[in-house]
Amino acid sequence: AQTVTQSQPEMSVQEAETVTLSCTYDTSESDYYLFWYKQPPSRQMILVIRQEAYKQQNATENRFSVNFQKAAKSFSLKISDSQLGDAAMYFCAYRSTQGGSEKLVFGKGTKLTVNP
Amino acid sequence: DTGVSQDPRHKITKRGQNVTFRCDPISEHNRLYWYRQTLGQGPEFLTYFQNEAQLEKSRLLSDRFSAERPKGSFSTLEIQRTEQGDSAMYLCASSFLRGQGEDYGYTFGSGTRLTVV
Repeated sequence: AQTVTQSQPEMSVQEAETVTLSCTYDTSESDYYLFWYKQPPSRQMILVIRQEAYKQQNATENRFSVNFQKAAKSFSLKISDSQLGDAAMYFCAYRSTQGGSEKLVFGKGTKLTVNP
Repeated sequence: DTGVSQDPRHKITKRGQNVTFRCDPISEHNRLYWYRQTLGQGPEFLTYFQNEAQLEKSRLLSDRFSAERPKGSFSTLEIQRTEQGDSAMYLCASSFLRGQGEDYGYTFGSGTRLTVV
């Protein structure tokens, strides 16, 4: 079974600085999706960025980018020019494309604090 | 369409009672998912529907749990004979996926927080 590990329970960053959140995963599959979701306090979870494993190019969405290292099974999220609104729980998630399973496997999350 | 709606937002129930939650997905989405999230953990998959067919169920979904999606529209999640261990946030999400097409991720609802006392 696939597992997702987020080794940083909490991280903090100064406003306007850059922070990187770590995620590693375990799988024997070659094709899959990886996602980062953001869950602000008492608000719904929203998709930040997605990566398809067969694509070499790292995904980028405005201030958010990933460092996808397939061989190392690593999928870190970089947030540039951090803003107060970036404060949230961030979850890394894996989705298989094989065997018909549609489920997302989530890590335990990293709580990001942004200091003014 | 205002996104994925869940009702109620909060539910407090006594142990042993039955509860039912409702989820209204984005209307054009064909996939609907239920997840459970406990404090300090990431969401855990419970079940998913493609249109009205329930295609996958987690082992977490004991026989006290049942989910339906009649006519492929809204979905309900019922928990019978609730236990204190059922206390959690129940999240619903929807997506549109055609066959093995590209997955652009889920849209989540705000969740239903269940407290069993």
